[in-house]
Amino acid sequence: AQKVTQTQTSISVMEKTTVTMDCVYETRDSSYFLFWYKQTASGEIVFLIRQDSYKKENATEGHYSLNFQKPKSSIGLIITATQIEDSAVYFCAMSRTGANTGKLTFGHGTILRVHP
Amino acid sequence: NAGVIQTPRHKVTGKGQEATLWCEPISGHSAVFWYRQTIVQGLEFLTYFRNQAPIDDSGMPKERFSAQMPNQSHSTLKIQSTQPQDSAVYLCASSLVGGYYEQYFGPGTRLTVL
Repeated sequence: AQKVTQTQTSISVMEKTTVTMDCVYETRDSSYFLFWYKQTASGEIVFLIRQDSYKKENATEGHYSLNFQKPKSSIGLIITATQIEDSAVYFCAMSRTGANTGKLTFGHGTILRVHP
Repeated sequence: NAGVIQTPRHKVTGKGQEATLWCEPISGHSAVFWYRQTIVQGLEFLTYFRNQAPIDDSGMPKERFSAQMPNQSHSTLKIQSTQPQDSAVYLCASSLVGGYYEQYFGPGTRLTVL
């Protein structure tokens, strides 16, 4: 079974700074997908970025990027130039590869508060 | 594109009553997932359909919970004899294909069992 752990319960940062959120995972699979989602105050869950385990390059998407360290089973999310509207709960998740797989296993989330 | 649609947005039931939750996935998406979110357990997977066929129901409680996908445009999650511990936000998500592609989540149905 897969397991995802986010140890940071909450983080507070000033606007326009860079923040890193940690995530470690456990799996017996040699190939898997890693995701970050955010949940806004309204409850909406939005996909942010994905990392394929077989790719060495860190994924980037706008002001989101990942720090993928496979030997450490770690996938950190980096948000640069944070904005007030980045305040949300951020979830790390993973899924297995294969046609009949797809369920996401989520961490418990990290609350990000961005202050002006 | 309207996104994933879930109805009702809020449902209140009495203990022992039945609750049926509806989900309309994004048109063209072949994978549909159901999750449950609570403060204590977080986001938990319940069940997964691909091309309307049940693929993985490993997260479904063995009793009282059932899910169906009678056609490509909607899925239902039914909870019989609801209990207070069933109170949660039930989320439906869809994706192009399970696994690789990101999932798009609906707004959720908040179920409260009194």
